[in-house]
Amino acid sequence: QSVLTQPPSVSGAPGQRVTISCTGSNSNIGAGFDVHWYQQLPGTAPKLLIYGDSNRPSGVPDRFSGSKSGTSASLAITGLQAEDEATYYCHSYDSSRSVSFGGGTKLTVL
Amino acid sequence: QITLKESGPTLVKPTQTLKLTCTFSGFSLSTYGVGVGWIRQPPGKALEWLVLIYWDDDKRYSPSLRSRLAITKDTSNNQVVLAMTDMDPVDTATYYCAHTWQYRGTPYGFDVWGQGTTVTVSS
Repeated sequence: QSVLTQPPSVSGAPGQRVTISCTGSNSNIGAGFDVHWYQQLPGTAPKLLIYGDSNRPSGVPDRFSGSKSGTSASLAITGLQAEDEATYYCHSYDSSRSVSFGGGTKLTVL
Repeated sequence: QITLKESGPTLVKPTQTLKLTCTFSGFSLSTYGVGVGWIRQPPGKALEWLVLIYWDDDKRYSPSLRSRLAITKDTSNNQVVLAMTDMDPVDTATYYCAHTWQYRGTPYGFDVWGQGTTVTVSS
């Protein structure tokens, strides 16, 4: 059972906007620790998509955005494209001195 | 350009100790704030953080696996070694090493990952 809770799956049609939630607690996200997001395409290593709640590494399209409020964070993808079909993971730190990943959300582009 | 690559056995027997090496380039593990972490992913399952080591030899362990893990760094050879004792079939997974950095005293995002190495635990 992951400390960070994500929906198992989301879907959307090309061009649409989807959001993926990541729910934590007062010992991780709610304590102010930053949230990071990864995209994992099938058969490949995860790729950092968002760091520090809402920052995009160089090369990540601005269709991807992150936000945080209270004990939750969200990843939004606008202008959905077929190549966005992947599994997305959130990641944060916990005051128990542990690094936590969410359970992953599989995005299907219809 | 930062790169990392994992190496080690692809098959281990139950109760054996697994030793994996992460060989990296493009950064130094003696630079302030820099760290290397290990993360694993069982087939069809989620990512699970295992351990990380910082430039100053500070080490952070997953509470649930702490008793079985050891991590060391060889700064001159740009390597980090993970040892996991008492391997079990449930430890079958792809093991990744990744570059990270420390921010406000806590581990930050893993910005560059190795390709991963698959380890199967079976007799």
